[in-house]
Amino acid sequence: EAQVTQNPRYLITVTGKKLTVTCSQNMNHEYMSWYRQDPGLGLRQIYYSMNVEVTDKGDVPEGYKVSRKEKRNFPLILESPSPNQTSLYFCASSHKTATGISYEQYFGPGTRLTVT
Amino acid sequence: KQEVTQIPAALSVPEGENLVLNCSFTDSAIYNLQWFRQDPGKGLTSLLLIQSSQREQTSGRLNASLDKSSGRSTLYIAASQPGDSATYLCAVLRDSSYKLIFGSGTRLLVRP
Repeated sequence: EAQVTQNPRYLITVTGKKLTVTCSQNMNHEYMSWYRQDPGLGLRQIYYSMNVEVTDKGDVPEGYKVSRKEKRNFPLILESPSPNQTSLYFCASSHKTATGISYEQYFGPGTRLTVT
Repeated sequence: KQEVTQIPAALSVPEGENLVLNCSFTDSAIYNLQWFRQDPGKGLTSLLLIQSSQREQTSGRLNASLDKSSGRSTLYIAASQPGDSATYLCAVLRDSSYKLIFGSGTRLLVRP
């Protein structure tokens, strides 16, 4: 089954304790991205990756790191989490179709992070 | 700067009614527009994708239209059912940077 998976689905942690949220897709997509969703602010892009070893900042990259060493994986790293990073996080992947640009995005189930 | 607006923010209708959700965007230079459904506490499910060169897309009881010149898209849901209750989000891809700009969503409740 084609899907985007995230782990963990729920995480409660303390300020300053480094954590990684994993994201994996099995569709051989070139593009992957991270979003956060906050009440009243909607969904905002954190980082994206056009392909292996190619990453760039989105709208709200501060406090986050990413890496893309393999095509299927795109982990989100919080080196020193703070309470303002409490949010619902989504990973997404996308591809170009053979007939042209599609960019239809597929989303993972989300990771609810609480930083105390 | 691209901004995406969805009206209304919330909508409650009786089962069986046909309904229209609206999405507007400020910059007509988009690659595509995508409609998503989000159930409470869950991920986003892609419903329809309209390329910038297209006018509409249909899937089952759903029909989405796109008018780039006026910066508008509508999602039409025919014969609504309680299972359609969810938040509906539209998002535009403004260029090849792969960044989706989301609206704030319309929360739909279909009453039995």
